[in-house]
Amino acid sequence: GQQVMQIPQYQHVQEGEDFTTYCNSSTTLSNIQWYKQRPGGHPVFLIQLVKSGEVKKQKRLTFQFGEAKKNSSLHITATQTTDVGTYFCVNGGGGNKLTFGTGTQLKVEL
Amino acid sequence: KAGVTQTPRYLIKTRGQQVTLSCSPISGHRSVSWYQQTPGQGLQFLFEYFSETQRNKGNFPGRFSGRQFSNSRSEMNVSTLELGDSALYLCASSASGANTEAFFGQGTRLTVV
Repeated sequence: GQQVMQIPQYQHVQEGEDFTTYCNSSTTLSNIQWYKQRPGGHPVFLIQLVKSGEVKKQKRLTFQFGEAKKNSSLHITATQTTDVGTYFCVNGGGGNKLTFGTGTQLKVEL
Repeated sequence: KAGVTQTPRYLIKTRGQQVTLSCSPISGHRSVSWYQQTPGQGLQFLFEYFSETQRNKGNFPGRFSGRQFSNSRSEMNVSTLELGDSALYLCASSASGANTEAFFGQGTRLTVV
């Protein structure tokens, strides 16, 4: 079945440093969604990318969809403690079936 | 607008028993999906219901089943529980259509002993 791999699995940063997580698929993705799950919480939708090469920004967060629609990235500028959590890239399949990536757990230290 | 509500929040069951989990979606949402989250396997799709019909199904054994009622509320059932079924079960609701934003509930933490 389709697998969506993310790297790195874990990332520890000092507050103020930048952070990037990468998402890769062996097959072409129809779309990419990104979700954040805080420790002890549930996934929360961040954004959806649909077009090849698409770039979207949300304040300190920049999301990119690869030209071949097989990869995506999330970059956070100047991390804050509120950014702590696990970030998942997700492929939306038929209907509302979501295939979650393996996730990147971000820890931010003061 | 109320969010997605899952009950119960925590559950402890014995191997061999069965369990039913409930999910009330956001008002107006007709699609309800279920996911299993474990440290080893991550977040895995179980099934999706739309207008009382199962629209998608993941790769889980037949012990896992679900249904959706006319008011869009959904239940999932796991029969003959195994230790490996211990997990966080998440329900998500979406507006009609496909590839739309999913709103997740707080989840039900199931422990099988």
